[in-house]
Amino acid sequence: GDSVTQMEGPVTLSEEAFLTINCTYTATGYPSLFWYVQYPGEGLQLLLKATKADDKGSNKGFEATYRKETTSFHLEKGSVQVSDSAVYFCALSHQGAQKLVFGQGTRLTINP
Amino acid sequence: NAGVTQTPKFRILKIGQSMTLQCAQDMNHNYMYWYRQDPGMGLKLIYYSVGAGITDKGEVPNGYNVSRSTTEDFPLRLELAAPSQTSVYFCASRTDVPNTEAFFGQGTRLTVV
Repeated sequence: GDSVTQMEGPVTLSEEAFLTINCTYTATGYPSLFWYVQYPGEGLQLLLKATKADDKGSNKGFEATYRKETTSFHLEKGSVQVSDSAVYFCALSHQGAQKLVFGQGTRLTINP
Repeated sequence: NAGVTQTPKFRILKIGQSMTLQCAQDMNHNYMYWYRQDPGMGLKLIYYSVGAGITDKGEVPNGYNVSRSTTEDFPLRLELAAPSQTSVYFCASRTDVPNTEAFFGQGTRLTVV
């Protein structure tokens, strides 16, 4: 079945550092890929998405590119801020599928 | 536009008590989901529904029940609460249009003592 694997956390960085959170997936066909963010005490909210190979999703300075050849959707940001501290979830969905498949989440802490 | 609304936000239950977690969405979404998130862990799907009158089990349905009598509402019932059900519960919804994202509620933090 479909699955999503994220890099293990927690990840701790200093402000203005470069961020990469790795995400790889196993799925047949061409799923849509998502990154969600969960700030402390809140629900998940969509950060960005990509629906086909080579698409780049971007939002709030974060980017991720849908790489079919490596089955990856790594999240990157050039300069992180303390306010980016949160848990990040990678997810996929097949066209016509009823459920989203989530990775296990990566907790990110940014120190000033 | 309220999105997905969950009530209550917090609740403490005694072992063996029952309660219903409420979830309502105003986006006319056909798909709705209940997840639980244990401390420091990811999401586990409890139940989901693809439309009024249709529900199905997720990964961890034991100890829970759901119903979907309307498109808007998807309540989660806990019968005979146990300490293992201490968790944060999230409701989510999405349209059945392909490639669309899910929208999440703010969560219900449940403690069973």
